[in-house]
Amino acid sequence: GNSVTQMEGPVTLSEEAFLTINCTYTATGYPSLFWYVQYPGEGLQLLLKATKADDKGSNKGFEATYRKETTSFHLEKGSVQVSDSAVYFCALSDPPAAGNKLTFGGGTRVLVKP
Amino acid sequence: EAGVVQSPRYKIIEKKQPVAFWCNPISGHNTLYWYLQNLGQGPELLIRYENEEAVDDSQLPKDRFSAERLKGVDSTLKIQPAELGDSAVYLCASSSTGGTEAFFGQGTRLTVV
Repeated sequence: GNSVTQMEGPVTLSEEAFLTINCTYTATGYPSLFWYVQYPGEGLQLLLKATKADDKGSNKGFEATYRKETTSFHLEKGSVQVSDSAVYFCALSDPPAAGNKLTFGGGTRVLVKP
Repeated sequence: EAGVVQSPRYKIIEKKQPVAFWCNPISGHNTLYWYLQNLGQGPELLIRYENEEAVDDSQLPKDRFSAERLKGVDSTLKIQPAELGDSAVYLCASSSTGGTEAFFGQGTRLTVV
């Protein structure tokens, strides 16, 4: 079955530091890949996505590239802010014809200190 | 455009009591999902609806959990009776048919005491 593995947190950084959160996946076929973010007390928000190999998703300064050869989708941001403190979830989805079921990693808590 | 709306946001109940959660998806989204998020973990699918039909309920503990989506719009998830281990966040999400993105509500945090 599908699975997603992401680095455990918490990750503690200073403001303006570089952030990387590793994510690898196991899936049959060609899933779409996502990063969701969960701010304290809130639901999941889509941060970025990529639907095919070599696609790069980007949003709010975050980027991730769909690497089929290494089955990875690592999240990066060059200069984090205190407001980026949240839990980040890597996820993959079944194809739309199979219902778009999302399989999530365990989440990585990121704490950015001023 | 309104997002996915869930209520209540928080619920505290005693064990063995029933509880229900409500979800209103984004207008026009035919696919609705209920996910369970235990503390410190990623969400896991409980049930998926296509319109009013439950097309994937393989992960729903049917001895105590039930769900319905009458008229293919709003949905209700029920637990009866609740157990201590049911304490978690229950997330609802919706997507358009054939879409690649699911939109999540803020969730209902259930505490069973």
